[in-house]
Amino acid sequence: SQQGEEDPQALSIQEGENATMNCSYKTSINNLQWYRQNSGRGLVHLILIRSNEREKHSGRLRVTLDTSKKSSSLLITASRAADTASYFCATASVYNQGGKLIFGQGTELSVKP
Amino acid sequence: SAVISQKPSRDICQRGTSLTIQCQVDSQVTMMFWYRQQPGQSLTLIATANQGSEATYESGFVIDKFPISRPNLTFSTLTVSNMSPEDSSIYLCSVGERDTTYGYTFGSGTRLTVV
Repeated sequence: SQQGEEDPQALSIQEGENATMNCSYKTSINNLQWYRQNSGRGLVHLILIRSNEREKHSGRLRVTLDTSKKSSSLLITASRAADTASYFCATASVYNQGGKLIFGQGTELSVKP
Repeated sequence: SAVISQKPSRDICQRGTSLTIQCQVDSQVTMMFWYRQQPGQSLTLIATANQGSEATYESGFVIDKFPISRPNLTFSTLTVSNMSPEDSSIYLCSVGERDTTYGYTFGSGTRLTVV
């Protein structure tokens, strides 16, 4: 399969708790990106981390990247009901100049009020 | 970042017919990408469309089934041909470049139901 793995496939938490999602991929990457999708609608870009970066923050989001393990994690702190969505990681390979993104299988996050 | 207008947003089609999906970008872009998202699944890349050359298809996707047009740097179409119920999915276009800082932009998607 061209897709990477994400876990967990589904995550249910209470408002205020932290949510952690993991992503593994198969090839050497130029960058890794995280996206959110609400109810099968278009994707919203959350954060991009380059292969030479190990950690990045954006508001309540924290992303880590371990290229030796070919894995990344997305942490959402102090979650809100509005964070309920599907979250996908996507990678851009160093071997593809065109920059196509390959998506992980996704994590469905449910945040209960 | 670019803004994409994707049409139609949804359609219900009879099996054996074809549907053409359009994506218009508000700026010139080199690469456009077409994805399929089957119900409850992640996005799978169908093909990469580069202006002036034939689209590059991923394994499992063929030009006869998913012909792509890329007449200029702001527009592309994907046709889903000879449809069957298995083609019922969300189809999305996207633009972006590998060395981007801002991530890729996606159209709002076309929800296709084949009956």
